Amino acid sequence: SYVLTQPPSVSVAPGQTARITCGGNNIGSKSVHWYQQKPGQAPVLVVYDDSDRPSGIPERFSGSNSGNTATLTISRVEAGDEADYYCQVWDSSSDLFYVFGTGTKVTVL
Amino acid sequence: QITLKESGPTLVKPTQTLTLTCTFSGFSLSTSGVGVGWIRQPPGKALEWLALIYWNDDKRYSPSLKSRLTITKDTSKNQVVLTMTNMDPVDTATYYCAHRPSWQQLVDYWGQGTLVTVSS
Repeated sequence: SYVLTQPPSVSVAPGQTARITCGGNNIGSKSVHWYQQKPGQAPVLVVYDDSDRPSGIPERFSGSNSGNTATLTISRVEAGDEADYYCQVWDSSSDLFYVFGTGTKVTVL
Repeated sequence: QITLKESGPTLVKPTQTLTLTCTFSGFSLSTSGVGVGWIRQPPGKALEWLALIYWNDDKRYSPSLKSRLTITKDTSKNQVVLTMTNMDPVDTATYYCAHRPSWQQLVDYWGQGTLVTVSS
């Protein structure tokens, strides 16, 4: 089945840029979606279709996808961005319909 | 405004069957392309997709759990039910109900989640 690999943790100082990667075989051919999950809360969609933002999500959140790596970029990081982040794709070629990444904990220093 | 809410037992014993109900509002599960799914998250671990049911009653299951899962819908009641048989302590997790929009294979709305503990 399709596997999405993320770094366990990323640390960033306030005002700096955080980059969270999501690795998968030829992931550039798929649409990648990103979710933010704060402690004790349900996930929230922050980027869809590689780089689009749902309404209400700040422009500081952006995404890209090419080759074997998709990236979520958080610019001008704020304390409120501290959370777990998950990538997700739809693997139409396998029975594992919705595939989630392993998750990345973003810590704001 | 789309909302979803999970309901069911918070504690089940090993070998028992878990039945969870998702009650939703703000959309109809008879609308073409729409789906409702279940996703779980063990404490401190990653999200895991379990099952999805579409407006046309098409159903998809996680391969690793397929033999234990059943998903059904009651469109008139705006409910989706997930049953999982032969529960084990490793199934302890927060179970989320989720809305799949008609335009993409993702989740745009989540329920608040319900923690299910499996213990004797």
